[in-house]
Amino acid sequence: GAVVSQHPSRVICKSGTSVKIECRSLDFQATTMFWYRQFPKQSLMLMATSNEGSKATYEQGVEKDKFLINHASLTLSTLTVTSAHPEDSSFYICSAGRTEAFFGQGTRLTVV
Amino acid sequence: GNSVTQMEGPVTLSEEAFLTINCTYTATGYPSLFWYVQYPGEGLQLLLKATKADDKGSNKGFEATYRKETTSFHLEKGSVQVSDSAVYFCALSDQGSGGSNYKLTFGKGTLLTVNP
Repeated sequence: GAVVSQHPSRVICKSGTSVKIECRSLDFQATTMFWYRQFPKQSLMLMATSNEGSKATYEQGVEKDKFLINHASLTLSTLTVTSAHPEDSSFYICSAGRTEAFFGQGTRLTVV
Repeated sequence: GNSVTQMEGPVTLSEEAFLTINCTYTATGYPSLFWYVQYPGEGLQLLLKATKADDKGSNKGFEATYRKETTSFHLEKGSVQVSDSAVYFCALSDQGSGGSNYKLTFGKGTLLTVNP
């Protein structure tokens, strides 16, 4: 089946710094990728839709200036958490797919 | 808007026990329904799906039937194994999202632990 690779799997950063998370489709081209966030004991919440070659579409309540999304190629989308704060600590996961949604392994972000 | 409500865990069972994880949904239109599984340290994997009312999805001994009249998609397995220990997510896709690019609404997830 199709593979989506996400990197890094875990990252710890200091408050105020920025962190970039990569999501790659390894064996197919993805014009659209989705970024989700999961709080402890909560659902995966859709943050934004990443569109190749155009601006991302953000869900209501998600700060587009804090969560920068770039989808510069058909196989790569990046999520950058800018000026991270402890409340941004969470599990971030991406998905892509044509006939079904394939998920990356997820990234555990801890901001200290 | 769309929403998915699934049974809160954790669920702890002995090997060979019967499993049910309840899932109900609210959606406009006719969504597709999914169960995803997340094994420790791994990403989400599609377990099974159903795209229309009365469809039954099945895989690895797990089953779920799309019940439009009760807006439910309960996951069942007749005899669980230790290797089934994972987090299970019920989800639906918004049919209006553009077709083949699946944007999903998830339930909170249910942690299943199966003891030998």
